Amino acid sequence: ETGVTQTPRHLVMGMTNKKSLKCEQHLGHNAMYWYKQSAKKPLELMFVYNFKEQTENNSVPSRFSPECPNSSHLFLHLHTLQPEDSALYLCASSQEWGGASGNTIYFGEGSWLTVV
Amino acid sequence: GNSVTQMEGPVTLSEEAFLTINCTYTATGYPSLFWYVQYPGEGLQLLLKATKADDKGSNKGFEATYRKETTSFHLEKGSVQVSDSAVYFCALYNAGGTSYGKLTFGQGTILTVHP
Repeated sequence: ETGVTQTPRHLVMGMTNKKSLKCEQHLGHNAMYWYKQSAKKPLELMFVYNFKEQTENNSVPSRFSPECPNSSHLFLHLHTLQPEDSALYLCASSQEWGGASGNTIYFGEGSWLTVV
Repeated sequence: GNSVTQMEGPVTLSEEAFLTINCTYTATGYPSLFWYVQYPGEGLQLLLKATKADDKGSNKGFEATYRKETTSFHLEKGSVQVSDSAVYFCALYNAGGTSYGKLTFGQGTILTVHP
């Protein structure tokens, strides 16, 4: 138990569906992240939110839409995805973004997404 | 920019064997270095970290020493167990430059330990 909870753990969706991934952190952190992990590439940072403000969008296609209503919750809204978007999506949090050296990032267990 | 290079896997060992997974990095300034572990079907867990040169991180029998002179952070364990089978990621966090706030990962090394 890392203090970062992701739901659902597994999701299968069609290319025309709209779904959302949810992340909640119980650590009192101010920064939250979405990462993508696929078999073909190393871990990729997608989005960073710091104090609910988006501070990083790593050239992610618009079919992925993040939302951060407060410092404890982070969503990833999905629509018209492609089969190549199938991957493990990891949420993470840290005390602060770009803080002092040693800022540890804590990960959730991930949401396995399959696009059919 | 920042980058992390890990030894290519997969690594297959017998139980109680000695483990080394090499990790080297490129970064400006004074980054923090991490090892994360991902067990089958799970997300990433922090295994250990070191925040300055010559620091040694340790946890669960694993150790890694931050070597600035060789820009390395190799992971070692004296006697591996079957339960150590997982994917291991070396990572770098740099609070300076254009990578401000980003955690840069290596490609991961798959470790399989046989009884």
